[in-house]
Amino acid sequence: LAKTTQPISMDSYEGQEVNITCSHNNIATNDYITWYQQFPSQGPRFIIQGYKTKVTNEVASLFIPADRKSSTLSLPRVSLSDTAVYYCLVGVSNDYKLSFGAGTTVTVRA
Amino acid sequence: ETGVTQTPRHLVMGMTNKKSLKCEQHLGHNAMYWYKQSAKKPLELMFVYNFKEQTENNSVPSRFSPECPNSSHLFLHLHTLQPEDSALYLCASSQLLTENTEAFFGQGTRLTVV
Repeated sequence: LAKTTQPISMDSYEGQEVNITCSHNNIATNDYITWYQQFPSQGPRFIIQGYKTKVTNEVASLFIPADRKSSTLSLPRVSLSDTAVYYCLVGVSNDYKLSFGAGTTVTVRA
Repeated sequence: ETGVTQTPRHLVMGMTNKKSLKCEQHLGHNAMYWYKQSAKKPLELMFVYNFKEQTENNSVPSRFSPECPNSSHLFLHLHTLQPEDSALYLCASSQLLTENTEAFFGQGTRLTVV
């Protein structure tokens, strides 16, 4: 299972774009990159998943460079309700142990 | 509503009690998970069941006993717990052997051991 490294915390203000970079130097060829969001006392919620290049949905964008050794989750125009812990996971569908690291605590201020 | 339902939402139990946590998923998934999350700590993977077979046990003490009678239900039987076992216990499910590895989590059971 590929190990991931992400910043412990990030602060931002309402309306700004937040970019969280995750390092996964030993990512395997078949691994996908998945990001989750967790609010206090709730289970994590899937945000976005990608394999390479760029993926965008109604919530976020995921940028993956050609070497796939890192990925960046981009949250456009954050609001106070985006304050949460964001987790980066790397794995394959047939061996997906869903091991979460410490995540990145994003705090959005008014 | 994520399609994964956990009961009870809150549980207070003494150290000599026996209780069970229940998880049910209505998503047709073939994998289910138990996690423990202590205050301000990362999620700790406890058990994984693939196709009803336990494939992961992350050195969890025997006072936690999982049971997966079918692919839709998962239980965590608790007995002689310690105060440090107080935490949020989360259940999740996913569909393995597909490209989309999205996991769905329940709302969790907030357990307090007194």
